[in-house]
Amino acid sequence: QSALTQPRSVSGSPGQSVSISCTGTSSDVGGYNYVSWYRQHPGTAPKVIIYDVNKRPSGVPDRFSGSKSGNTASLTISGLQAEDEADYYCCSYVVGNTWVFGGGTKLTVL
Amino acid sequence: EVQLVESGGGLVQPGGSLKLSCAASGFTFSGSAIHWVRQASGKGLEWVGRIRSKANNYATEYTASVKGRFTISRDDSKDTAYLQMSSLKTEDTALYYCTRFPDGDACPFDYWGQGTLVTVSS
Repeated sequence: QSALTQPRSVSGSPGQSVSISCTGTSSDVGGYNYVSWYRQHPGTAPKVIIYDVNKRPSGVPDRFSGSKSGNTASLTISGLQAEDEADYYCCSYVVGNTWVFGGGTKLTVL
Repeated sequence: EVQLVESGGGLVQPGGSLKLSCAASGFTFSGSAIHWVRQASGKGLEWVGRIRSKANNYATEYTASVKGRFTISRDDSKDTAYLQMSSLKTEDTALYYCTRFPDGDACPFDYWGQGTLVTVSS
């Protein structure tokens, strides 16, 4: 199972919006609504920010939103803040009861 | 407070074995699947495998690169899951996290441990 495809890096200025894409296949992203997104700051464990494509766990601000079209899922962060600078990973259920992560995207807040 | 604490990491030679533990507290352990995810230094997250709950027959699945070498188990009486690793390769060197996925219509991987470092080197 190959990793889902994410851009290696994205950037934005405080207050702006950025989107991160996550491309898979019909066997994972395109076939199921089980895409989740994780934020990871250096030296810390990942934290879930979106699950089931567009659901936010309790405590995650509505600046974070998720969507999916075909085999590509997207994470959008609006109103960028300095604390949003981190690595972001998508994750999807895969046919056959396994899971796969994306390669990760480094978000830089300019 | 939900907590997951990994232990058992260390330095092991190629071809060797190691058993990691994931001790849980603060939630109903028996009602969650436990997944293992690893991260090589400076690299991305890689899903390793999972064990489901008793309600789901303790089913296990693994990523292809570890199938046949790694075994996940759990002891619900001790609220602990395990990752038995054998025939270790240098490419298995990574920080290993355990994370939970509660049964039902729940948020996956909502809590993670701090990770335990496995180094495979001669």
